[in-house]
Amino acid sequence: AAGVIQSPRHLIKEKRETATLKCYPIPRHDTVYWYQQGPGQDPQFLISFYEKMQSDKGSIPDRFSAQQFSDYHSELNMSSLELGDSALYFCASSARGVFPDFIYTGELFFGEGSRLTVL
Amino acid sequence: QKEVEQNSGPLSVPEGAIASLNCTYSDRGSQSFFWYRQYSGKSPELIMSIYSNGDKEDGRFTAQLNKASQYVSLLIRDSQPSDSATYLCAVNEDSGGYQKVTFGTGTKLQVIP
Repeated sequence: AAGVIQSPRHLIKEKRETATLKCYPIPRHDTVYWYQQGPGQDPQFLISFYEKMQSDKGSIPDRFSAQQFSDYHSELNMSSLELGDSALYFCASSARGVFPDFIYTGELFFGEGSRLTVL
Repeated sequence: QKEVEQNSGPLSVPEGAIASLNCTYSDRGSQSFFWYRQYSGKSPELIMSIYSNGDKEDGRFTAQLNKASQYVSLLIRDSQPSDSATYLCAVNEDSGGYQKVTFGTGTKLQVIP
């Protein structure tokens, strides 16, 4: 079965540089979430999109922005990178609604994550 | 204040014992409850979901939900060393057309051989 695809898996940047992470949700999933997880911490919610519109916003710095495109893939753009931005970034997707062959459950399916290291 | 509370642990249990993980939440409007398992450096993996009061069993895992007490738990029977991981409780509220998911801080479980 298709899963959530994230790219790149690993990324190394210098301070003050810019990074872009991509996420391709499971087909027919209409909601995408971005989470940041630092070492030894629980996932911190950054932002979510429902049907290509921003639906909720968490602790996302102003230096970060995200969007969801017409094909439902999402990109997280991070500028003026700081050392503290080094973390695992997870994308997750879920489905809402009743489809012919499944019912909304609210379960999140996570990608394998993108590890960002800022030097 | 965190809306979903878990004991951070570590919770240590001997192999073959029952591990009991607990979670409380503050939002009475929450509708769906999940337990995710996360190995170090890996993404969270859904292991149990529960939507109504009572118990739900799946293999060695049992989820328990008590909405009146705003409490959800996960029992792992016959614990194995491979169960050693961080267990994240997640609460989902369908809010105005979109989903709001809140994770707890996670409980680290160590199963001692």
